Amino acid sequence: EAAVTQSPRSKVAVTGGKVTLSCHQTNNHDYMYWYRQDTGHGLRLIHYSYVADSTEKGDIPDGYKASRPSQENFSLILELASLSQTAVYFCASSDWGGAYEQYFGPGTRLTVL
Amino acid sequence: GDKVKQSPSALSLQEGTNSALRCNFSIAATTVQWFLQNPRGSLMNLFYLVPGTKENGRLKSAFDSKESYSTLHIRDAQLEDSGTYFCAAEAGYQNFYFGKGTSLTVIP
Repeated sequence: EAAVTQSPRSKVAVTGGKVTLSCHQTNNHDYMYWYRQDTGHGLRLIHYSYVADSTEKGDIPDGYKASRPSQENFSLILELASLSQTAVYFCASSDWGGAYEQYFGPGTRLTVL
Repeated sequence: GDKVKQSPSALSLQEGTNSALRCNFSIAATTVQWFLQNPRGSLMNLFYLVPGTKENGRLKSAFDSKESYSTLHIRDAQLEDSGTYFCAAEAGYQNFYFGKGTSLTVIP
């Protein structure tokens, strides 16, 4: 069974502050993803990575940076948090091989005040 | 417009009855995943599909890439089936599109 963990599970941040969300996977998967979910909506892809030390932009990368220091870890960084970034953030991982079945972490609820 | 449209948006089912959820795609989907988001917010994998069908217990899913839709059938609905069901289509390398979900409530 895939294992993806996220920390913190919830966070309150102030506008203009820096926020770092962390994700750790123990599946030996190559791909990792960051999504955000807004109330009443599906998930939208922010950044993804297919190898350590490399990240790629997803559909909504503006205002976010990502970092993949190792195969197991993938961080999402909000350098200047804004009210519009209040959302639930999900990390996911998937294997390589033509089938990108994604396994999700439990989510981080971020509130920016 | 939405690239993935899920229907219905909300549904109430009597325990023990059957129902079908649907996703229509306006993109060239190559694979589909179905998830259940439980009331605590966790996303559980249900199915990963290339064109064809899969079955797991009381759940059955089909994906027709030519007609651009996927369905999820729930048989003999149980209380623990309650939650929000999402489909996600892949259309191109690392291009994933989620629907807005179907909120399912199973009533005793």
